[in-house]
Amino acid sequence: SAVISQKPSRDICQRGTSLTIQCQVDSQVTMMFWYRQQPGQSLTLIATANQGSEATYESGFVIDKFPISRPNLTFSTLTVSNMSPEDSSIYLCSVSYRVEQYFGPGTRLTVT
Amino acid sequence: AQTVTQSQPEMSVQEAETVTLSCTYDTSESDYYLFWYKQPPSRQMILVIRQEAYKQQNATENRFSVNFQKAAKSFSLKISDSQLGDAAMYFCAWTTSNFGNEKLTFGTGTRLTIIP
Repeated sequence: SAVISQKPSRDICQRGTSLTIQCQVDSQVTMMFWYRQQPGQSLTLIATANQGSEATYESGFVIDKFPISRPNLTFSTLTVSNMSPEDSSIYLCSVSYRVEQYFGPGTRLTVT
Repeated sequence: AQTVTQSQPEMSVQEAETVTLSCTYDTSESDYYLFWYKQPPSRQMILVIRQEAYKQQNATENRFSVNFQKAAKSFSLKISDSQLGDAAMYFCAWTTSNFGNEKLTFGTGTRLTIIP
């Protein structure tokens, strides 16, 4: 399995500001994924991040709002830009490792 | 597009009893993977069990087993000898077997309560 860490674990931010979430994996992986989990709901994929290429965004998510970096095979960042209260969610990164996907502990974001 | 449906928003079971969580899915692909994930209040997503669509044999992991009915596109999770630590949200998920596109599609989840 893969061990994944995320920073920060939680944050409270003011509307209009941006937050960058970091995801670190203990092994090299090709694909990393970013999911959003709104309060009381399921997980929705934001984008897929491959090292050395632009992230692929799902319908309803755009790069200007959720820019992603993937500088190497063990690290990725997701930025939530120009935040509004509707962005209050848990953000999770995951990696695909031998078919199975493993998740980080999540970042709980509250926007006031 | 693939969809995953969990029709039971909440379930409860007496400790030490058995409970079955339901999941159906829709896909036009013939080869894929199905998963059950557990999310306790800590919010950590934990992989419970995995099923390959090409395998007829149902997967088992200790007290957890699945009933995979490919023709019916059904994938239920059975938890035997329920324990207090099993209390969590359970999500059913689907992914293609096509390498390079392993994003997960999740169901809406079932909240499982264990009654002492």
